[in-house]
Amino acid sequence: SQTIHQWPATLVQPVGSPLSLECTVEGTSNPNLYWYRQAAGRGLQLLFYSVGIGQISSEVPQNLSASRPQDRQFILSSKKLLLSDSGFYLCAWSVPGTGNYGYTFGSGTRLTVV
Amino acid sequence: SQQGEEDPQALSIQEGENATMNCSYKTSINNLQWYRQNSGRGLVHLILIRSNEREKHSGRLRVTLDTSKKSSSLLITASRAADTASYFCATPGNYGQNFVFGPGTRLSVLP
Repeated sequence: SQTIHQWPATLVQPVGSPLSLECTVEGTSNPNLYWYRQAAGRGLQLLFYSVGIGQISSEVPQNLSASRPQDRQFILSSKKLLLSDSGFYLCAWSVPGTGNYGYTFGSGTRLTVV
Repeated sequence: SQQGEEDPQALSIQEGENATMNCSYKTSINNLQWYRQNSGRGLVHLILIRSNEREKHSGRLRVTLDTSKKSSSLLITASRAADTASYFCATPGNYGQNFVFGPGTRLSVLP
């Protein structure tokens, strides 16, 4: 069966420090991978989307970047965190194709920038 | 990009009652999805309904889709305290394979 791992669960980082969040998927090949951010009590904002190794699409300009060094690994990074980067970060995967499949989400990372 | 908007923003009911949440969207879609999120956790996929379907059931969940009104509803029957969560509808986004989420409905089921 397919599983998705996301870590760490919580993270407190000072302003200006770097960030690296990792997400891995098991049990499937060539998944679509996504990074979303959720502000408190709000909906999800798509940050990055990938259909394959090295293929990254960015929805909005961010102080963040993403990389997909392996088929089932998706990394969210920042060189220097801002206070506004605080939030709940969610990784998800879906079956590639026409978009007629649901997402499977990771358990999320709560990032607090202080 | 198109986006679903859930209504109401918050809903509080007694255990055993039915809960109905609505989602409206702006442009034509080929499918719509509903997700649940428990506090501080990831989202869980509940149901996907295609544009040629009018109603779909899964256990105590019933989803309807009215493409003429560009709206969908999620009905939870005989609610339980464990149904307390936020519920989101999601519609296809710009990339064709991503989804856009509304702000959600926060459901509280009181014992």
